[in-house]
Amino acid sequence: EAGVAQSPRYKIIEKRQSVAFWCNPISGHATLYWYQQILGQGPKLLIQFQNNGVVDDSQLPKDRFSAERLKGVDSTLKIQPAKLEDSAVYLCASSLIHRQRGTDTQYFGPGTRLTVL
Amino acid sequence: RKEVEQDPGPFNVPEGATVAFNCTYSNSASQSFFWYRQDCRKEPKLLMSVYSSGNEDGRFTAQLNRASQYISLLIRDSKLSDSATYLCVVNFLLSGGYNKLIFGAGTRLAVHP
Repeated sequence: EAGVAQSPRYKIIEKRQSVAFWCNPISGHATLYWYQQILGQGPKLLIQFQNNGVVDDSQLPKDRFSAERLKGVDSTLKIQPAKLEDSAVYLCASSLIHRQRGTDTQYFGPGTRLTVL
Repeated sequence: RKEVEQDPGPFNVPEGATVAFNCTYSNSASQSFFWYRQDCRKEPKLLMSVYSSGNEDGRFTAQLNRASQYISLLIRDSKLSDSATYLCVVNFLLSGGYNKLIFGAGTRLAVHP
C-alpha cells in the first residue's frame, strides 16, 4: 500500500516570499492533517480536514497560512508571506477512521523541510 | 503549562540497558494515549497504544495512570536500533466526534555499543 506522499521534500525561500506544499493521502483515508514541526519540538496540528471540510483549524495562523482539500483527496498548504519563524518541517498525515471515540492511527508522510532566509 | 510534557533527554545508555521515559498530560478529558517513534529527519510512526491496564509489545511496555495523568514507556534490553526520539501523544475528542492528537516535544534516546 502506498503511503502518504508529499512534495517538495525541501524548500528554501526568502522571507516575505510565498510557498506551497502538496500532500496526497493514503487511498481511502477520509481525514487529512497538516502539522508543523519546529526543530526540537513535537508536531503541532495546523489544520484537520474530514473529506473536504475543515474540522479544526484553531492553530492555523490564518493571516498568512491557508489550506484546502477541494475534492476530498489531495491537499495544499500555502504560506504567504513567509516569516523566519516559519522554518520547520511540514508534515501531512492521514487516517482512515473518523467520527470514532478512541484510537485513530495517523500515518505520516516524509514531510517538507522549509527554510526561510 | 504545556498540554503534554516530556523529559527531553537525551538518554545515553549502553546496549542491553533498561530505560524508562515519562510523560504527563494536563487535560483530564483525554481519551487515548500513544507512543510514537521518530528517527532523525524522518516522520513519526506509531510505536504502540497505551492502555490503563498496561500493555507490552516485545521489549516495550507502556503504562497509563489516569489519576496522576501520567504515561510511561519502558524499553528493556536496548538495541542500537532503538536510538530515536520517542513522542508521547494524547488524543482529545473534539466536538463532532473527531479526534485530535497532541504531541509532546519528545525524549531522545541514544543507545551506544
